[in-house]
Amino acid sequence: SQQGEEDPQALSIQEGENATMNCSYKTSINNLQWYRQNSGRGLVHLILIRSNEREKHSGRLRVTLDTSKKSSSLLITASRAADTASYFCATDAYNTDKLIFGTGTRLQVFP
Amino acid sequence: DAGVTQSPTHLIKTRGQQVTLRCSPKSGHDTVSWYQQALGQGPQFIFQYYEEEERQRGNFPDRFSGHQFPNYSSELNVNALLLGDSALYLCASSLQGGRMDEKLFFGSGTQLSVL
Repeated sequence: SQQGEEDPQALSIQEGENATMNCSYKTSINNLQWYRQNSGRGLVHLILIRSNEREKHSGRLRVTLDTSKKSSSLLITASRAADTASYFCATDAYNTDKLIFGTGTRLQVFP
Repeated sequence: DAGVTQSPTHLIKTRGQQVTLRCSPKSGHDTVSWYQQALGQGPQFIFQYYEEEERQRGNFPDRFSGHQFPNYSSELNVNALLLGDSALYLCASSLQGGRMDEKLFFGSGTQLSVL
């Protein structure tokens, strides 16, 4: 079963625009991670945010975490065509050692 | 430094057959997790291996089994294949017993088609 759900399912924007995707999850967590997947191949880790953190930055990425709402958002600023990919959030359900992935957001960036 | 490698890249099987997928973790990693990803879906956790033992398991039937070798490489076996087993199978490696504050490194996957 999926722990998280991303919203929207699909997003299309122009190069230079910002892309925001959201993740909601069901149970308490220790940390939340975001991954990127190109063309249905292997996933690449983007960023990890711990449950006691509210915001984290990495280059053009900004992640927020609201544990009271059980939600996270990933913002990609000044998007590029190369950002076209699927983006997944992943959470460790509390007191388990499983990393559970959400359903993903498919981002299309047009040049 | 080699990353996570999986073999084969593609595989076609028929219903009822058995399949073995292989994974070599990133150098220095000791934990291997396997995921199944159906088309258009997120990866679903199958199980995780550490110190040659299955530590965690997702909601998959016993037809799915695995093994980890002393060199930390791993195999995923699926018996009595069903059409619904068609998916991309991803292997991910990590450090230190798969603590969940460690990021996962993924292989490129094995695309399994069951006819």
